[in-house]
Amino acid sequence: SFELTQPPSVSVSPGQTASITCSGPNLGYKYASWYQQKPGQSPTLVIYQDTKRPSGIPERFSGSNSGNAATLTISGTQAMDEADYYCQAWDSTTAVFGGGTKLTVL
Amino acid sequence: QVQLLQSGAEVKKPGASVKVSCQTSGYNLNSHGISWVRQAPGQGLEWMGWISIYDGYRSYAHNLQGRVTMTTDTSTSTAYMELMSLTSDDTAVYYCVRARTHTVGDAFDYWGQGTLVTVSS
Repeated sequence: SFELTQPPSVSVSPGQTASITCSGPNLGYKYASWYQQKPGQSPTLVIYQDTKRPSGIPERFSGSNSGNAATLTISGTQAMDEADYYCQAWDSTTAVFGGGTKLTVL
Repeated sequence: QVQLLQSGAEVKKPGASVKVSCQTSGYNLNSHGISWVRQAPGQGLEWMGWISIYDGYRSYAHNLQGRVTMTTDTSTSTAYMELMSLTSDDTAVYYCVRARTHTVGDAFDYWGQGTLVTVSS
């Protein structure tokens, strides 16, 4: 079955760039989405169709997808960006989520 | 504005069933698919299935086939998810989620507040 793999944790200093990867076989041929989840809250869509930001999502969030990996990049990371991040893609008619990455801003 | 308001927390015994509702507002239910996603305590997100009123299409996660049923009531703009033969492994927060379009394969742009289902004897 199709699986998406993410690193369990990523750390970044405030103001620096954070990159979170999501790998899966031929992921570049599918659309990747990214969701942010803060403790006790429902997830929020931050990137869809690999690179697009929903309205209200800051420009510091960007995405890319090629080959076997998609990447979520947060430029100028802020303390408020500390959260769990999940990638997601569709394998035919089945949605698949990555295991999630805890982003720590320290 | 778009809202997905879910029913309250449930406590069920093993072997029982649970039905969670999701009252939608602020958009046309026919124009967007609905998925259900669950999250066990301290764990990641697990997709459960998809339903589209637009074309009547349903798709369920392989590991839940036969135990889960997703329906909608267009008269009240409400979506439902019923899960049967519950075990402790089904203890989780259940989210209803709106897809950007009615086409399977799109991202999930609005999430309900979540419904905690606890399965315990």
